[in-house]
Amino acid sequence: EAGVAQSPRYKIIEKRQSVAFWCNPISGHATLYWYQQILGQGPKLLIQFQNNGVVDDSQLPKDRFSAERLKGVDSTLKIQPAKLEDSAVYLCASSLVRVYEQYFGPGTRLTVT
Amino acid sequence: AQSVTQPDIHITVSEGASLELRCNYSYGATPYLFWYVQSPGQGLQLLLKYFSGDTLVQGIKGFEAEFKRSQSSFNLRKPSVHWSDAAEYFCAARSSGGSYIPTFGRGTSLIVHP
Repeated sequence: EAGVAQSPRYKIIEKRQSVAFWCNPISGHATLYWYQQILGQGPKLLIQFQNNGVVDDSQLPKDRFSAERLKGVDSTLKIQPAKLEDSAVYLCASSLVRVYEQYFGPGTRLTVT
Repeated sequence: AQSVTQPDIHITVSEGASLELRCNYSYGATPYLFWYVQSPGQGLQLLLKYFSGDTLVQGIKGFEAEFKRSQSSFNLRKPSVHWSDAAEYFCAARSSGGSYIPTFGRGTSLIVHP
């Protein structure tokens, strides 16, 4: 069974530029999560989708971050414009349903200079 | 507010020694509890989980965890550590009802000496 796929693995941008990350969850998993993991900290949930609907986005900085999950499968997370404090690893995870354990992708390491 | 606390930022053990990583949670009701491991440059891998029932949970790679309601704890243990266990360990919780929003601790970095 293929795991959660993410791309790119690494991205370096300048502040005020925009960037997008892509995630393909495990086949059949209804729930998809985006996390931000700042160096030395645990992952922080940004947004949670159930199929293609948003379950929770209370910690998503909506003035600059956006996410979508078209057709309830792949998802993209966008930052526009980026700030220095957005430097982090962005993790995507999926689960069969909300209550079950999550499976994580390898993450995208973003560096904003 | 719901929270997960891992009081130890770093733990150093010798190979072959036993290990215990601490995790405390603060939730209104007993949450679902998880331990994940993260190797450098990798995503998180689930070691074990507790939903209900037997308070001693067995996981992969020889790990186990014990849920103690009276102490609001879910500590991870391994009787004999291998050098390959060196990694970052995260305790996580999610409410057993409602929106199931997961919360992670800040992690404990395990260093294994030969």
